[in-house]
Amino acid sequence: DAGVTQSPTHLIKTRGQQVTLRCSPISGHKSVSWYQQVLGQGPQFIFQYYEKEERGRGNFPDRFSARQFPNYSSELNVNALLLGDSALYLCASSLDPGTGYNEQFFGPGTRLTVL
Amino acid sequence: RKEVEQDPGPFNVPEGATVAFNCTYSNSASQSFFWYRQDCRKEPKLLMSVYSSGNEDGRFTAQLNRASQYISLLIRDSKLSDSATYLCVVIPLSGGYNKLIFGAGTRLAVHP
Repeated sequence: DAGVTQSPTHLIKTRGQQVTLRCSPISGHKSVSWYQQVLGQGPQFIFQYYEKEERGRGNFPDRFSARQFPNYSSELNVNALLLGDSALYLCASSLDPGTGYNEQFFGPGTRLTVL
Repeated sequence: RKEVEQDPGPFNVPEGATVAFNCTYSNSASQSFFWYRQDCRKEPKLLMSVYSSGNEDGRFTAQLNRASQYISLLIRDSKLSDSATYLCVVIPLSGGYNKLIFGAGTRLAVHP
């Protein structure tokens, strides 16, 4: 079975631009979470979606938004990019976020560089 | 204070050594605890869950002390392939969803 896939793998943008990152969860998984990992730090929670609805949001500005589609894939959008947005963006999928713990499986990530 | 704090490392150890990592968490209501492993420029992968009774998986032993809000990971007989960053992860009580709270990670380098 295919794991979590993310695209693109690498991206270079300039300050002020907008970016869209994409994620396809493991087949059968209905929940997608997004994390930001800055170099030298652990991943930080951004969003969690389940059945196309936002279930949780981390401490990120409104420049960050996301959505989940009927096929459970997801997009993360970041507007008005800042240098500090340079990071590895990780997507994780799980069966269902609300019924006890379900392991979150991570994709390989999208490495975003903002110049 | 960070929600999850870890030894910063790096830990440089020879093959065969025993190494221990520590982690503390600030939210006493946290409900689930894990160790993840992250290889350089790769995604995190679940290494093992952590329980109050302690749990062992081959050369790896994890322990949780809820009273002290402390989590540990012990690696015995280190292998070169154990070189990676080890991330302590906590799941706090949240309204119907599970968000992973990561520590900054402890880097381990095992040398011949």
